[in-house]
Amino acid sequence: AQSVSQHNHHVILSEAASLELGCNYSYGGTVNLFWYVQYPGQHLQLLLKYFSGDPLVKGIKGFEAEFIKSKFSFNLRKPSVQWSDTAEYFCAVTRRGNTPLVFGKGTRLSVIA
Amino acid sequence: GAGVSQSPSNKVTEKGKDVELRCDPISGHTALYWYRQSLGQGLEFLIYFQGNSAPDKSGLPSDRFSAERTGGSVSTLTIQRTQQEDSAVYLCASSLAGDSYGYTFGSGTRLTVV
Repeated sequence: AQSVSQHNHHVILSEAASLELGCNYSYGGTVNLFWYVQYPGQHLQLLLKYFSGDPLVKGIKGFEAEFIKSKFSFNLRKPSVQWSDTAEYFCAVTRRGNTPLVFGKGTRLSVIA
Repeated sequence: GAGVSQSPSNKVTEKGKDVELRCDPISGHTALYWYRQSLGQGLEFLIYFQGNSAPDKSGLPSDRFSAERTGGSVSTLTIQRTQQEDSAVYLCASSLAGDSYGYTFGSGTRLTVV
């Protein structure tokens, strides 16, 4: 079965530090890739998505992610985090063909001043 | 509507009772999804409706769980004879048809079975 692995359960960073959250998926076919964010007390929101083309995708709030097909990875990055980035981040994958998103277990990011 | 609406936002029920959770998707979105979010477990897919097609029920954890979608719009997730392990946040999402769209999530229903 298709699965999504997020390696870091909880990441703690100081403001202005750089961020990289890992995401690997198991499916070998053509996939669509997503990162969602859930701020405290809020619903899940789409951060960015990749379908095809340039493997470096830019999303909202300065986030970006790079699709590396050979590594089955779609890591999320941000050069300089802010306190307001404190949230839970979920990587998600779907195969082409209208199948439901499969989510990773999430990574909780805590940014401290 | 402007977003995906779920009700109730919180539900406390006694073990063994039945519960119904409602989802009102964004108007025009033909795809509707139910997920369950448990602490430390991420989002677990439950069921997926797409237009008039038969729903994909492959994620339902037991036959106590069922869902329907009336008129291609509002959906109800029913859990019969609730158990304590059913306690979780139940999330609904909708999207336009096709692979190229992300999902819009509702705020969820927090279900507590006591």
